[in-house]
Amino acid sequence: EVELVESGGGFVQPGGSLRLSCVASGFTISSYSMNWVRQAPGKGPEWVSYISTTYSIISYADSVKGRFTISTDNAKNSLFLQMNSLRVEDTAVYYCVRDWNYNFDHWGQGTLVTVSS
Amino acid sequence: QTVVTQEPSFSVSPGGTVTLTCGLNSGSVSANYYPSWYQQTPGQAPRTLIYNTNTRSSGVPDRFSGSMLGTKAALTITGAQADDESDYYCVLYMGSGTWVFGGGTKLTVL
Repeated sequence: EVELVESGGGFVQPGGSLRLSCVASGFTISSYSMNWVRQAPGKGPEWVSYISTTYSIISYADSVKGRFTISTDNAKNSLFLQMNSLRVEDTAVYYCVRDWNYNFDHWGQGTLVTVSS
Repeated sequence: QTVVTQEPSFSVSPGGTVTLTCGLNSGSVSANYYPSWYQQTPGQAPRTLIYNTNTRSSGVPDRFSGSMLGTKAALTITGAQADDESDYYCVLYMGSGTWVFGGGTKLTVL
């Protein structure tokens, strides 16, 4: 069974950093493209970042470009999101999402990031 | 800036049919955008209903269908049920590994 479990969320002040982790089970992460998608309280989801299977494509939403970095660790079958220079507007639940055939087919349960002074 | 447009809200009677649409502020949606549709209930992660315009995800009832309707992608629910009352989001692939979500449609079944 495919499962994605995020961790690393929490409370941080503006300008701070957090590193989100997502441990995958039931499949090999290196065989799939992966994404981070976030959802601010009361708002719709927003795509944040993408990493392709061959790592030939890494992309970011304009809202996080230059501040966030996506990466993987195949040995740990894990996906990461390093978030720097955090802003109040980055407050959201962050989901780790598997991408198969242009389909966000599996989502984690999400981890909450709160940026506030 | 690319904006994916959806009706903010829609209402349908139980047993009725409703079509939600997904457009682009900058032009037409085509199959090249690989439109997909997600259903989200409060406190839950979104789940896929339709991907690649009209492919139903595993386990999704066949009352949900996807299509292209003129310049927009469309999600049709035929024979709406009470538990279809949810938020519905479309997502378009913009190329180079980038995606844009629509603002969502809040569907009421009453």
